[in-house]
Amino acid sequence: QVQLVQSGAEVTKPGASVKLSCKTSGDMFTASYLHWLRQAPGQGLEWLGTLNPRDGRTAYAQKLKDRITLVRVTSTSTVYLDLSRLTPEDTGIYYCARDGLPLSAGTSFYFQSWGQGTLVSVSS
Amino acid sequence: DFQMTQSPTSLSASVGDRVTITCRASRSISSSLNWYQQKPGKAPKLLVHDASRLEGGVPSRFSGRVSGLDFTLTISGLQPEDFATYYCQQAYSTPPTFGQGTKVEIK
Repeated sequence: QVQLVQSGAEVTKPGASVKLSCKTSGDMFTASYLHWLRQAPGQGLEWLGTLNPRDGRTAYAQKLKDRITLVRVTSTSTVYLDLSRLTPEDTGIYYCARDGLPLSAGTSFYFQSWGQGTLVSVSS
Repeated sequence: DFQMTQSPTSLSASVGDRVTITCRASRSISSSLNWYQQKPGKAPKLLVHDASRLEGGVPSRFSGRVSGLDFTLTISGLQPEDFATYYCQQAYSTPPTFGQGTKVEIK
């Protein structure tokens, strides 16, 4: 089982930015696509974006594409989510997740392994 | 975006009951439908992918089926550890989208 370990909780103000991390098992880092999702308090799940860990290519949810950036640092097997111009509506738990298919097969968009989640709270 | 309509929103059941949750797609998604279980304070857990393929380690009392636009997750013989919220998710088209969730509670 691939381990995904996320960074700790963030408390921040409207207009600020936040950078979350997701560290994967070293030898599995480039095995599959990596995704980010979030869950607002008491709400359902929302896909935010996807990263190819081998070449760094990304795909983002349309509603966030001007505010979100996914990058990877291969040497540390870590993926980062950067979200800018935060509003209270960005409050929630952010998850990274590993795709269910090998990278060479593309992305299945089924989320096989999940990080433990990072709480982001945006409030003035 | 593809809309996924999940029903019911919640249900009460007893241990040993057979429980069925339905997810309807707004248009054809082939078999690209996944089911997750989420317990309070925990990350979701993949149960079924591609409509009917049970994820490794998931008990066989869970099963998924598809009929046209309708997808079902059935739990045959509800166990105490199955009380949770269940989500469907279409993987046919980007962005992947989720149903609203079904909370399974103890009667």
